[in-house]
Amino acid sequence: DQQVKQNSPSLSVQEGRISILNCDYTNSMFDYFLWYKKYPAEGPTFLISISSIKDKNEDGRFTVFLNKSAKHLSLHIVPSQPGDSAVYFCAARGRKTGANNLFFGTGTRLTVIP
Amino acid sequence: DTGVSQDPRHKITKRGQNVTFRCDPISEHNRLYWYRQTLGQGPEFLTYFQNEAQLEKSRLLSDRFSAERPKGSFSTLEIQRTEQGDSAMYLCASESVAGVTDTQYFGPGTRLTVL
Repeated sequence: DQQVKQNSPSLSVQEGRISILNCDYTNSMFDYFLWYKKYPAEGPTFLISISSIKDKNEDGRFTVFLNKSAKHLSLHIVPSQPGDSAVYFCAARGRKTGANNLFFGTGTRLTVIP
Repeated sequence: DTGVSQDPRHKITKRGQNVTFRCDPISEHNRLYWYRQTLGQGPEFLTYFQNEAQLEKSRLLSDRFSAERPKGSFSTLEIQRTEQGDSAMYLCASESVAGVTDTQYFGPGTRLTVL
């Protein structure tokens, strides 16, 4: 049962434009959400996170939005750069679930076209 | 380099052989996690340690898998009698429970190929 879903396997964006990556979750007990970026043959690299008490968190070119009522979050990258081309994973965890592990989506491959 | 390190980076083995992977977490991180990632999927949780205690195991962790963290620092993951279905990227992550954020930091992974 996939509790975190990324329904778009791929996304292509022109350099300089905005990239929007989406993520949905089903477990209302999740209270912390993270985005990781992954290059081939490397481990996931932490990008940005958001707690369920917030609806927005910004770090430079990266902004994560959380809509708890819709159980939806999105990652905005602006402006997109060719070096952003990677697979992006959405992850969630919930202390109240009694588990400390992360639940991951299946990833979205972002290609930024120069 | 103070990040999470894993060794080896690649392992090719024949079906039925035993393999062991090592993970060195970020210094002072007291939680250590093992995940497995297969092609087209996100990482899936296997097990985690707080200090030297193994606190949780996923149902993915069959009895052929064993993990240890004897001194609360590095950890090893052993797979006995490997099967072709064990081929995957094995990822280690560490976390500080004393930190103000719930962020796990991942190592580069060990890619296992079972022939």
